[in-house]
Amino acid sequence: DIQMTQSPSSLSASVGDRVTITCRASQGIRNDLGWYQQKPGKAPKRLIYAASSLQSGVPSRFRGSGSGTEFTLTISSLQPEDFATYFCLQYNSYPLTFGGGTKVEIK
Amino acid sequence: EVQLVASGGGLVQPGGSLRLSCAVSGFTFSDHYIDWVRQAPGKGLEWVGRSRDKANGYTTEYAASVKGRFTISRDDAENALYLQMNSLKTEDPAVYYCTRGYDMDVWGQGTTVTVSS
Repeated sequence: DIQMTQSPSSLSASVGDRVTITCRASQGIRNDLGWYQQKPGKAPKRLIYAASSLQSGVPSRFRGSGSGTEFTLTISSLQPEDFATYFCLQYNSYPLTFGGGTKVEIK
Repeated sequence: EVQLVASGGGLVQPGGSLRLSCAVSGFTFSDHYIDWVRQAPGKGLEWVGRSRDKANGYTTEYAASVKGRFTISRDDAENALYLQMNSLKTEDPAVYYCTRGYDMDVWGQGTTVTVSS
Protein backbone atom coordinates (compact mmCIF):
# COMPACT_ATOMS: atom_id res chain seq x y z
CA ASP A 1 0.00 0.00 0.00
CA ILE A 2 1.12 3.56 -0.65
CA GLN A 3 1.44 5.54 2.56
CA MET A 4 0.67 9.24 2.41
CA THR A 5 2.52 11.16 5.12
CA GLN A 6 1.01 14.57 5.61
CA SER A 7 2.62 17.36 7.61
CA PRO A 8 2.08 19.21 9.78
CA SER A 9 -0.87 17.56 11.50
CA SER A 10 -1.97 20.98 12.72
CA LEU A 11 -0.92 24.58 12.48
CA SER A 12 -1.96 27.95 13.83
CA ALA A 13 -1.95 30.89 11.48
CA SER A 14 -3.35 34.37 11.11
CA VAL A 15 -5.51 35.84 8.39
CA GLY A 16 -3.22 36.91 5.58
CA ASP A 17 -0.52 34.34 6.35
CA ARG A 18 0.97 32.06 3.75
CA VAL A 19 0.39 28.42 4.66
CA THR A 20 2.11 25.35 3.24
CA ILE A 21 1.02 21.73 3.74
CA THR A 22 3.01 18.77 2.47
CA CYS A 23 2.15 15.22 1.51
CA ARG A 24 4.83 12.65 0.89
CA ALA A 25 4.04 9.37 -0.86
CA SER A 26 5.90 6.20 0.06
CA GLN A 27 6.38 5.49 -3.63
CA GLY A 28 5.95 7.45 -6.84
CA ILE A 29 2.38 8.32 -7.79
CA ARG A 30 3.09 10.53 -10.83
CA ASN A 31 0.65 13.43 -10.35
CA ASP A 32 -2.32 11.31 -9.22
CA LEU A 33 -3.06 13.42 -6.16
CA GLY A 34 -5.87 15.61 -4.96
CA TRP A 35 -6.25 18.07 -2.12
CA TYR A 36 -9.46 18.47 -0.13
CA GLN A 37 -10.83 20.88 2.43
CA GLN A 38 -13.20 19.69 5.13
CA LYS A 39 -15.13 21.78 7.62
CA PRO A 40 -16.74 20.28 10.73
CA GLY A 41 -19.81 18.21 9.98
CA LYS A 42 -19.40 18.65 6.22
CA ALA A 43 -18.22 16.47 3.37
CA PRO A 44 -14.77 17.14 1.94
CA LYS A 45 -14.56 19.56 -0.95
CA ARG A 46 -11.95 19.14 -3.64
CA LEU A 47 -9.56 22.04 -4.15
CA ILE A 48 -6.86 20.60 -6.40
CA TYR A 49 -6.68 17.61 -8.75
CA ALA A 50 -3.84 16.10 -10.74
CA ALA A 51 -1.50 17.63 -8.15
CA SER A 52 -1.65 21.16 -9.51
CA SER A 53 -4.95 21.78 -11.32
CA LEU A 54 -7.33 24.13 -9.56
CA GLN A 55 -10.88 22.86 -9.18
CA SER A 56 -13.42 25.11 -10.87
CA GLY A 57 -14.78 27.69 -8.45
CA VAL A 58 -11.91 27.42 -5.99
CA PRO A 59 -10.09 30.68 -5.23
CA SER A 60 -6.72 31.16 -6.87
CA ARG A 61 -5.01 31.60 -3.48
CA PHE A 62 -4.96 27.79 -3.35
CA ARG A 63 -2.07 26.28 -5.28
CA GLY A 64 -0.90 22.70 -5.60
CA SER A 65 2.49 21.56 -6.74
CA GLY A 66 4.68 18.49 -6.91
CA SER A 67 4.99 15.19 -8.68
CA GLY A 68 6.26 11.73 -7.90
CA THR A 69 6.52 11.55 -4.12
CA GLU A 70 6.48 15.14 -2.83
CA PHE A 71 3.42 17.37 -2.99
CA THR A 72 2.53 20.72 -1.56
CA LEU A 73 -0.65 22.70 -1.01
CA THR A 74 -0.06 26.40 -0.53
CA ILE A 75 -2.61 28.97 0.57
CA SER A 76 -1.07 32.28 -0.41
CA SER A 77 -3.08 34.52 1.91
CA LEU A 78 -5.19 32.75 4.49
CA GLN A 79 -8.80 33.93 4.70
CA PRO A 80 -11.27 33.43 7.58
CA GLU A 81 -13.19 30.82 5.58
CA ASP A 82 -10.02 28.76 5.08
CA PHE A 83 -9.83 27.57 8.67
CA ALA A 84 -10.55 23.89 8.19
CA THR A 85 -8.89 20.50 7.87
CA TYR A 86 -7.05 19.62 4.68
CA PHE A 87 -6.39 16.15 3.28
CA CYS A 88 -4.45 14.77 0.36
CA LEU A 89 -5.57 11.70 -1.59
CA GLN A 90 -3.52 9.46 -3.88
CA TYR A 91 -5.51 7.74 -6.60
CA ASN A 92 -2.60 6.17 -8.42
CA SER A 93 -3.05 2.66 -7.11
CA TYR A 94 -5.21 0.50 -4.88
CA PRO A 95 -5.95 0.85 -2.11
CA LEU A 96 -6.52 4.57 -2.51
CA THR A 97 -5.05 6.31 0.49
CA PHE A 98 -5.42 9.63 2.24
CA GLY A 99 -3.00 11.72 4.20
CA GLY A 100 -3.69 12.02 7.90
CA GLY A 101 -4.97 15.58 7.62
CA THR A 102 -3.82 19.05 8.61
CA LYS A 103 -6.02 21.14 10.86
CA VAL A 104 -5.56 24.84 10.19
CA GLU A 105 -6.54 26.87 13.23
CA ILE A 106 -6.73 30.55 14.01
CA LYS A 107 -3.73 31.96 15.84
CA GLU B 1 -26.34 20.18 -10.48
CA VAL B 2 -24.25 17.14 -9.69
CA GLN B 3 -25.49 15.52 -6.50
CA LEU B 4 -24.82 12.37 -4.54
CA VAL B 5 -27.06 11.65 -1.57
CA ALA B 6 -26.08 8.88 0.82
CA SER B 7 -28.68 7.28 3.05
CA GLY B 8 -29.42 4.14 5.02
CA GLY B 9 -27.17 4.64 8.00
CA GLY B 10 -28.24 3.73 11.49
CA LEU B 11 -27.57 1.66 14.58
CA VAL B 12 -26.73 -2.00 14.15
CA GLN B 13 -25.40 -4.67 16.49
CA PRO B 14 -21.97 -6.19 16.00
CA GLY B 15 -22.24 -8.96 13.46
CA GLY B 16 -25.27 -7.36 11.89
CA SER B 17 -25.91 -6.03 8.40
CA LEU B 18 -26.84 -2.73 6.86
CA ARG B 19 -27.28 -1.49 3.31
CA LEU B 20 -26.33 2.03 2.40
CA SER B 21 -27.62 3.77 -0.70
CA CYS B 22 -26.15 6.56 -2.79
CA ALA B 23 -28.64 8.29 -5.07
CA VAL B 24 -27.05 10.33 -7.83
CA SER B 25 -28.35 13.04 -10.13
CA GLY B 26 -27.05 15.67 -12.50
CA PHE B 27 -24.72 13.38 -14.44
CA THR B 28 -24.71 10.13 -16.39
CA PHE B 29 -24.41 7.50 -13.69
CA SER B 30 -23.07 4.76 -15.93
CA ASP B 31 -20.19 6.90 -17.16
CA HIS B 32 -18.57 7.38 -13.77
CA TYR B 33 -16.68 5.50 -11.12
CA ILE B 34 -18.33 5.81 -7.71
CA ASP B 35 -16.47 5.23 -4.46
CA TRP B 36 -17.35 4.81 -0.80
CA VAL B 37 -15.15 6.56 1.74
CA ARG B 38 -15.62 6.52 5.50
CA GLN B 39 -14.56 8.67 8.39
CA ALA B 40 -14.61 7.34 11.92
CA PRO B 41 -15.50 9.89 14.63
CA GLY B 42 -12.67 12.38 15.01
CA LYS B 43 -10.49 10.48 12.55
CA GLY B 44 -9.22 10.81 9.02
CA LEU B 45 -10.61 9.48 5.78
CA GLU B 46 -10.48 5.83 4.74
CA TRP B 47 -11.27 4.55 1.26
CA VAL B 48 -13.74 1.65 1.44
CA GLY B 49 -14.34 0.55 -2.12
CA ARG B 50 -15.11 1.40 -5.72
CA SER B 51 -17.48 0.61 -8.54
CA ARG B 52 -15.99 1.31 -11.92
CA ASP B 53 -18.08 2.69 -14.77
CA LYS B 54 -20.13 0.71 -17.28
CA ALA B 55 -17.33 0.75 -19.84
CA ASN B 56 -15.25 -1.15 -17.30
CA GLY B 57 -18.00 -3.58 -16.53
CA TYR B 58 -18.92 -2.06 -13.18
CA THR B 59 -16.11 -4.05 -11.64
CA THR B 60 -15.29 -3.40 -8.01
CA GLU B 61 -12.34 -2.92 -5.68
CA TYR B 62 -12.30 -3.04 -1.90
CA ALA B 63 -10.09 -2.07 0.98
CA ALA B 64 -8.57 -5.03 2.78
CA SER B 65 -10.42 -4.07 5.97
CA VAL B 66 -13.82 -4.68 4.35
CA LYS B 67 -13.11 -7.22 1.62
CA GLY B 68 -15.36 -10.24 1.96
CA ARG B 69 -17.78 -8.37 4.23
CA PHE B 70 -18.87 -5.40 2.12
CA THR B 71 -20.29 -5.52 -1.41
CA ILE B 72 -20.87 -2.65 -3.83
CA SER B 73 -23.60 -2.87 -6.44
CA ARG B 74 -25.45 -0.58 -8.81
CA ASP B 75 -28.95 -0.09 -10.11
CA ASP B 76 -28.89 1.84 -13.37
CA ALA B 77 -32.65 2.24 -13.45
CA GLU B 78 -32.60 3.95 -10.06
CA ASN B 79 -29.32 5.82 -10.59
CA ALA B 80 -28.23 4.36 -7.31
CA LEU B 81 -25.18 2.71 -5.82
CA TYR B 82 -25.37 0.42 -2.83
CA LEU B 83 -22.99 -0.69 -0.12
CA GLN B 84 -24.08 -3.93 1.49
CA MET B 85 -22.27 -4.24 4.80
CA ASN B 86 -22.31 -7.61 6.52
CA SER B 87 -20.59 -8.92 9.65
CA LEU B 88 -20.25 -5.39 10.97
CA LYS B 89 -17.51 -4.88 13.51
CA THR B 90 -16.89 -2.35 16.25
CA GLU B 91 -14.27 -0.73 13.99
CA ASP B 92 -16.80 0.01 11.22
CA PRO B 93 -18.71 2.94 12.79
CA ALA B 94 -18.18 6.04 10.70
CA VAL B 95 -19.76 8.58 8.44
CA TYR B 96 -19.90 6.92 5.05
CA TYR B 97 -19.58 9.14 1.99
CA CYS B 98 -20.15 8.32 -1.66
CA THR B 99 -17.97 10.17 -4.12
CA ARG B 100 -17.85 10.51 -7.89
CA GLY B 101 -15.07 9.70 -10.25
CA TYR B 102 -11.72 7.94 -10.14
CA ASP B 103 -10.36 11.13 -8.62
CA MET B 104 -13.28 11.87 -6.27
CA ASP B 105 -14.35 15.23 -7.58
CA VAL B 106 -17.77 15.48 -5.92
CA TRP B 107 -18.86 14.09 -2.55
CA GLY B 108 -22.24 13.38 -1.04
CA GLN B 109 -23.13 14.55 2.44
CA GLY B 110 -22.57 11.24 4.24
CA THR B 111 -24.63 8.86 6.32
CA THR B 112 -23.73 7.71 9.82
CA VAL B 113 -23.27 4.08 10.80
CA THR B 114 -23.14 3.12 14.47
CA VAL B 115 -22.23 -0.37 15.62
CA SER B 116 -23.13 -1.12 19.20
CA SER B 117 -24.80 -3.78 21.28
